Amino acid sequence: QQQVKQSPQSLIVQKGGISIINCAYENTAFDYFPWYQQFPGKGPALLIAIRPDVSEKKEGRFTISFNKSAKQFSLHIMDSQPGDSATYFCAALHGSGNTGKLIFGQGTTLQVKP
Amino acid sequence: DAGVTQSPTHLIKTRGQHVTLRCSPISGHKSVSWYQQVLGQGPQFIFQYYEKEERGRGNFPDRFSARQFPNYSSELNVNALLLGDSALYLCASSFGDRIYEQYFGPGTRLTVT
Repeated sequence: QQQVKQSPQSLIVQKGGISIINCAYENTAFDYFPWYQQFPGKGPALLIAIRPDVSEKKEGRFTISFNKSAKQFSLHIMDSQPGDSATYFCAALHGSGNTGKLIFGQGTTLQVKP
Repeated sequence: DAGVTQSPTHLIKTRGQHVTLRCSPISGHKSVSWYQQVLGQGPQFIFQYYEKEERGRGNFPDRFSARQFPNYSSELNVNALLLGDSALYLCASSFGDRIYEQYFGPGTRLTVT
């Protein structure tokens, strides 16, 4: 119940294309769903996040779609660029206020070809 | 503003030794969390501290311990190191009651030989 399952494990997209990464969870107590971007040798950077009472959130080229009934959410990267090549992690927050922990998916390595 | 800082950047230890990793949160952040990231996997939660109190502990053995200081910096200690402890150790900080918004440092790469 504490797991977040992420797919695909790796993804190759042409420049200008759409990258789609999917995640699924089981624990309905999760209350916040962030996406992190990680470059080699760096820590994860918060990219975009959504609460379960919202079905979609868009920030620039990045969009999260959230399906509460299916317990699934996804990250769409529009007009993908070579600079987007990184590992992406979905996560779910268990907790609230000043106490909680992030449960991460296994990660998706994205390569955007020029 | 400075982000989360961690030291050292890299560390090589031998099995059975002890290690201390350090983290300084973003100014104004009172919560610090520690995560272990094994190569090719997502980060796994180890500890969370808020206002110097332990607020959560992940599924890690008692060899792992941590503490938070009055200036909100934190230390992660690992005793009796095993080869399997080799990983990137990440520290994340968050502001007040916004545990949902965690900002990560660059991590400490620990190699156990």
